[in-house]
Amino acid sequence: KAGVTQTPRYLIKTRGQQVTLSCSPISGHRSVSWYQQTPGQGLQFLFEYFSETQRNKGNFPGRFSGRQFSNSRSEMNVSTLELGDSALYLCASSLDTSTDTQYFGPGTRLTVL
Amino acid sequence: DQQVKQNSPSLSVQEGRISILNCDYTNSMFDYFLWYKKYPAEGPTFLISISSIKDKNEDGRFTVFLNKSAKHLSLHIVPSQPGDSAVYFCAASMMNYGGSQGNLIFGKGTKLSVKP
Repeated sequence: KAGVTQTPRYLIKTRGQQVTLSCSPISGHRSVSWYQQTPGQGLQFLFEYFSETQRNKGNFPGRFSGRQFSNSRSEMNVSTLELGDSALYLCASSLDTSTDTQYFGPGTRLTVL
Repeated sequence: DQQVKQNSPSLSVQEGRISILNCDYTNSMFDYFLWYKKYPAEGPTFLISISSIKDKNEDGRFTVFLNKSAKHLSLHIVPSQPGDSAVYFCAASMMNYGGSQGNLIFGKGTKLSVKP
């Protein structure tokens, strides 16, 4: 079974631009979460989606948004990029209950210049 | 305000010896704890978890201990192997308070190096 895939793996943008990252969960998984990893803050929860509905949201500004499609694939969007948005963005998927183990993708490395 | 803290950024251990990774938390509503391992250029991989109703959970070479009164948990790896060299993250969730494993609070990680 294929693991969680994220595209693109690397991305370079400039301040003020917007970016969309994509995540394909493991087949059959209906829950997708997004995390931001930076050297200073570590891994921080962004949001969680289940069956196209946002189930939880972390403490990030409104510039960060996401959505989930009917096939469970998810996208996250960051608008008006800032230098501090440079990070590794990780997506994780799990089956369908809140207690199921999450499986992480390799991440998308975003660099904002 | 960090709710999950891993105060040791790095740890070096000899192969065959025990590795002990520590984690402290501040939120008493956390009731489910996990450890993840991360290699460079890969996403974190789930290792082991423990519910707050237990004080120990074991899986092969990995054992997690939970001390609720001290708000402290630790991961023991015995015996340590060079392939265990990675960054280890402690994570917590409030499963009984609307949380889920899809909404985890992570520590900043401890880099473990196991020397042959």
